[in-house]
Amino acid sequence: DAGVTQSPTHLIKTRGQQVTLRCSPKSGHDTVSWYQQALGQGPQFIFQYYEEEERQRGNFPDRFSGHQFPNYSSELNVNALLLGDSALYLCASSFITGVDSPLHFGNGTRLTVT
Amino acid sequence: GDSVTQMEGPVTLSEEAFLTINCTYTATGYPSLFWYVQYPGEGLQLLLKATKADDKGSNKGFEATYRKETTSFHLEKGSVQVSDSAVYFCALSDQSGNTPLVFGKGTRLSVIA
Repeated sequence: DAGVTQSPTHLIKTRGQQVTLRCSPKSGHDTVSWYQQALGQGPQFIFQYYEEEERQRGNFPDRFSGHQFPNYSSELNVNALLLGDSALYLCASSFITGVDSPLHFGNGTRLTVT
Repeated sequence: GDSVTQMEGPVTLSEEAFLTINCTYTATGYPSLFWYVQYPGEGLQLLLKATKADDKGSNKGFEATYRKETTSFHLEKGSVQVSDSAVYFCALSDQSGNTPLVFGKGTRLSVIA
């Protein structure tokens, strides 16, 4: 049973460019959440998708947007990249139902903005 | 807002030593509490959780007790192994688990043989 898979694993972009990161949830999971983990910090919540809609959003600017497809996979898009967007981006999947459905994390996409 | 504070790392221990990683939290109401572990080059894995006061979560020899009086959820292990070397994150959500996880900054543990 495949867990959460993310692509690409590493990415280097230039300031001002746009980037798309992809995530396939664990089989059977219907909810995808995205987190940003800066170097030496804990993950910070970006947003959560369920039934192809953004359900919750953290304190991130509109440059960060996402999408969920009918097969539950998801994309994270970041426009107008800044140096400060350099981080590990983690995707996590779960069932929508809460504490008895813990998050399963992928290995992340390491984004470097130069 | 809700927050989690963990002891600063890195923590370096010899194999078979006792481990404690301190975690305290600030939250409205009674949150659910979690410990996640991140091995090198991997994503986070749930290590253990507790959803109400005085609950003890345990897994792989690790334990943590939800202490409402001291708003703490310290992680302990009686005898660490080299394979326990990783970064450990304390986190919380609301009691139902329906709010996003709020993480501490993480504590890096290195265990030497």
